[in-house]
Amino acid sequence: ETGVTQTPRHLVMGMTNKKSLKCEQHLGHNAMYWYKQSAKKPLELMFVYNFKEQTENNSVPSRFSPECPNSSHLFLHLHTLQPEDSALYLCASSQIPGTVRQPQHFGDGTRLSIL
Amino acid sequence: DQQVKQNSPSLSVQEGRISILNCDYTNSMFDYFLWYKKYPAEGPTFLISISSIKDKNEDGRFTVFLNKSAKHLSLHIVPSQPGDSAVYFCAASEGTGNQFYFGTGTSLTVIP
Repeated sequence: ETGVTQTPRHLVMGMTNKKSLKCEQHLGHNAMYWYKQSAKKPLELMFVYNFKEQTENNSVPSRFSPECPNSSHLFLHLHTLQPEDSALYLCASSQIPGTVRQPQHFGDGTRLSIL
Repeated sequence: DQQVKQNSPSLSVQEGRISILNCDYTNSMFDYFLWYKKYPAEGPTFLISISSIKDKNEDGRFTVFLNKSAKHLSLHIVPSQPGDSAVYFCAASEGTGNQFYFGTGTSLTVIP
């Protein structure tokens, strides 16, 4: 496998459920990201991990809990979500910016629907 | 407040003609800019980038222009093809940070 793989592609859950989104990258990158994309809004950065250490948490509610066990895997644990959390959740990876700037590479996303 | 703006939600162009997608930004510290293309049910795919030390970068049919004084960048696609029909996002970042700021996207339709 190559690139950035996200599972599941679609998820429907109730507000009291607990579920997890998974992301895996096969690009040898050392930074991983979670984004939220809602309709008519720009991609919103949620979390950043550099060398599996969290470096950014953009005021994300605690009902979203990220986990990065290594530089290739990233999880987003979900619990007690609200209907407004329904969105496309995108994972991305990149090299940590240094002297050479490089783009982020995205997975195909998980379409999340909260009932 | 959005730091990267794409003011045209949609654009239609005839096949073979030029497509011009625009993007404006407010943060003068941004020094790296990218364009992504997104098909339905897929994630954004990196298309082309430009650093602030340049004002133009070309890759095949795709050219990105950067006007730093106007805080404006544009993506030119020549000639446009039906397979170019997608949503195009511009993004920007600053310094050595790995936070990218995205626009809301422009949906391009290339009419055969």
